[in-house]
This record gives sequence, C-alpha cells and structure tokens, in this order.
Amino acid sequence: NAGVTQTPKFRVLKTGQSMTLLCAQDMNHEYMYWYRQDPGMGLRLIHYSVGEGTTAKGEVPDGYNVSRLKKQNFLLGLESAAPSQTSVYFCASSYLNTGELFFGEGSRLTVL
Amino acid sequence: KQEVTQIPAALSVPEGENLVLNCSFTDSAIYNLQWFRQDPGKGLTSLLLIQSSQREQTSGRLNASLDKSSGRSTLYIAASQPGDSATYLCAVPLSGGYNKLIFGAGTRLAVHP
Repeated sequence: NAGVTQTPKFRVLKTGQSMTLLCAQDMNHEYMYWYRQDPGMGLRLIHYSVGEGTTAKGEVPDGYNVSRLKKQNFLLGLESAAPSQTSVYFCASSYLNTGELFFGEGSRLTVL
Repeated sequence: KQEVTQIPAALSVPEGENLVLNCSFTDSAIYNLQWFRQDPGKGLTSLLLIQSSQREQTSGRLNASLDKSSGRSTLYIAASQPGDSATYLCAVPLSGGYNKLIFGAGTRLAVHP
C-alpha cells in the first residue's frame, strides 16, 4: 500500500538551479495537488490537477510549473530556484473533488 | 477571502485528559471541513471529514463537530494518550471545490505521561 510517494525527500539547491519533484499515487485518483508548508503559515496550494493532461494554478503558483502527463504522476518543477522557495513540499491526491485527501510524506527543499 | 484560524496554537496536557481543539473560518459557504494530523517530519493524515450537511463525525476517541452558521468546528479528543502528540490542522475548501483547501496553522499538542 504505497499511497502517495514523493521523490526526492531531501534536496539542497543553489540559487538559479532547476529541479523537479515527482509525486506518484497508486490509488487511481483523478485529483492531485502540490502544497508548500512554511513555519507559522500552514499549507498553501501551489498547483493542482483535475485529471490527466490538466493543470491549474493555486494560491501561490509563481516560480513553479507542473505537468500531469500520466494519471498517476504529478510533477512540480522549479526552473530557477530562489531562497524564498525553501520549504517543505507536499503532494496530495483525492478520488473526488470534495473528498478525503491523501498526502505524501513531503520533500524538504533548501535553496542556498 | 476565506481564512482559517486555529486556537490554541499549542497545548500541553497530562495523559488522560479530555481536550478540545478549535477551528474557525470566515466564509460559511463550505462543502466540508477536514481535520488532519501531522507528526513531526511526516505528511498529513486525514482524521475526519465532515460534509456541510452533517453536524458531527466520530472516529474512535475523536469527535469533530461543525457549525457552519457560526463558522466553527471543534475536534474533541477523549482520554488523551502520549501517542496523540502531534500537530492537528483543520482545512476547508475554497469556493469551487476541487479540494483547493485553505489550512489553519495548526494546534501543536503534547500529551505527557
């Protein structure tokens, strides 16, 4: 029972470098989401997808891009990392658009 | 704009106490409300989901209530145990659904033996 798996779990980048976070779910969920969590600010939605081939902006999309080429995968990309993007990133998925959310264990990103 | 507030920010109680965590939201037009648990360095685990038509949901020692008209929800934990120590977050969807959730900052609970 893998559920939602995120890779990598930890990453350190230098300002200006690029990277991609991978989220994979094995529950056949239609909806997938990327959140970031910062101290004292709760979780904020970056981008989300309502199905294969679709993506949409969330609350804090600037500086990030996403792709959902396969139903089970949702990729989050940083083209030119900035220190303000130092955070813990969480992927989540759900079967229904107003149903229970299942989260991955998070990816801790540090941008120097 | 929907805002979610959780009080208190932190709580420390002795084992065995019954306790209440509070969540308030500014826009009462919500589809549902979810309570999550987060252990240090881990992801979020959904505890309870209350649909807008429901007043409460129960799971084991946990009971969550929802009062949409007053914009409040409470999470009641009965007979607390050290294993309940974690951060508890509540979240409501932005209008339009799709689980575009707005989260509170959480209540950090410590249950000591």
